[in-house]
Amino acid sequence: EVQLAESGGGLVKPGGSLRLSCAASGFSFNDAWMSWVRQAPGRGLEWVGRIKRKTDGGTIDYAAPVKGRFTISRDDSKKTLFLQMNSLKTEDTAVYYCTKEDYGDYVLPYWGQGTLVTVSS
Amino acid sequence: DIVLTQSPDSLAVSLGERATINCKSSQSVLYSSNNQNYLAWYQQKPGQPPKLLIYWASTRESGVPDRFSGSGSGTDFTLTISSLQAEDVAVYYCQQYYSTPPTFGQGTKAEIK
Repeated sequence: EVQLAESGGGLVKPGGSLRLSCAASGFSFNDAWMSWVRQAPGRGLEWVGRIKRKTDGGTIDYAAPVKGRFTISRDDSKKTLFLQMNSLKTEDTAVYYCTKEDYGDYVLPYWGQGTLVTVSS
Repeated sequence: DIVLTQSPDSLAVSLGERATINCKSSQSVLYSSNNQNYLAWYQQKPGQPPKLLIYWASTRESGVPDRFSGSGSGTDFTLTISSLQAEDVAVYYCQQYYSTPPTFGQGTKAEIK
């Protein structure tokens, strides 16, 4: 069974940094394309970024609002996905979900429970 | 970026009645080389992550009840719940994966009348 468990969320001041982790189990993590999706309180879903598997070049894409501030990485030996968030803004406040793609690019059958990031002074 | 607009924003349907949610894309998500529509539907219940219901516009995910169906092509798509059940109360999102960045509709809240 695919399981994804995010951690690392919390309260941070504007301009601060936070690193989210996503522990994966139940599948071959090194073969997976993984995405982060976020959801601001009471709002809709917003894709944050995606990292391909290393055999596909490990290519990383980001949404425009986070490009240059957020960095996605992976440690295949530890089956863990990361999201390093720098220069945080109040509008980055959201639940951040770790997801695993399947069936095709950006189709997301597998989601973690999410971790809440609150950016506030 | 492709913009997806869902309608209505919310709907209230009696138990056992049909619910229909529409999703209109700002450009076609039909890929001509494989004749596939790069459109998915998700269901999100309060306090839970989204759940994939439909992909390729009309392929039901494993375990999803057959009262859920997807249709449409190009720029206009529909999610139909043929007989709304109490457990279907949720927000429904369409998503295009035709191009990067993948984008979602704003969501449609389904309630019981």
